[in-house]
Amino acid sequence: EVQLVESGGGLVQPGGSLRLSCAASGFTFSNYAMSWVRQAPGKGLEWVSTIRDSGVSTYYADSVKGRFTISRDNSKNTLYLQMNSLRAGDTAVYYCAKNWNYPKFDYWGQGTLVTVSS
Amino acid sequence: EVVLTQSPGTLSLSPGDRATLSCRASQSVSSSYLAWYQHKPGQAPRLLIYGASSRATGIPDRFSGSGSGTDFTLTISRLEPEDFAVYYCQQYDSSPTWTFGQGTKVEIK
Repeated sequence: EVQLVESGGGLVQPGGSLRLSCAASGFTFSNYAMSWVRQAPGKGLEWVSTIRDSGVSTYYADSVKGRFTISRDNSKNTLYLQMNSLRAGDTAVYYCAKNWNYPKFDYWGQGTLVTVSS
Repeated sequence: EVVLTQSPGTLSLSPGDRATLSCRASQSVSSSYLAWYQHKPGQAPRLLIYGASSRATGIPDRFSGSGSGTDFTLTISRLEPEDFAVYYCQQYDSSPTWTFGQGTKVEIK
């Protein structure tokens, strides 16, 4: 059974940093691209970032480019999102998602809440 | 950048009704790269339809997808109580960029 479990969310001040983790199990992690998708309070889903299976290629939404860094450790079956220079607009539930044949997301985690507030 | 516009914003229906949800793209989208998701509060989103019309594993056949180019539709033939949720369309382009529509809420009338 595929499982994706996010952790690392919490309350952080504007300008601060946070690192999210996503522990994956139930599939060969190193064979799949992985992504982060977020949902701000009362809003819809927003793609944040994707990393290829090897970790060599990474992609970002314009809203987070230059502030967020996606990475992975295939030996630990874990996906990461380093978030710097956080803003109030980054407040959201952050979901980890497995890419299936790259363009779509076939499994999602339950999400971790990030609140940026003073 | 492709923008996906979903309509209506909210659909008020009763169990047993037919639901028709629309997703319109600002420019032509490859059908291969159009998907639909169901999202309930406090739960992980769930892939329903991929390739515009193929059902994901375990998805009941009351869910169907259709369309091409800029106009896509998700149809739920007979609403079950567990189908009341928010539905999102999503597309992928070769930038690469992944884009979601703003969602349609299907609520109990």
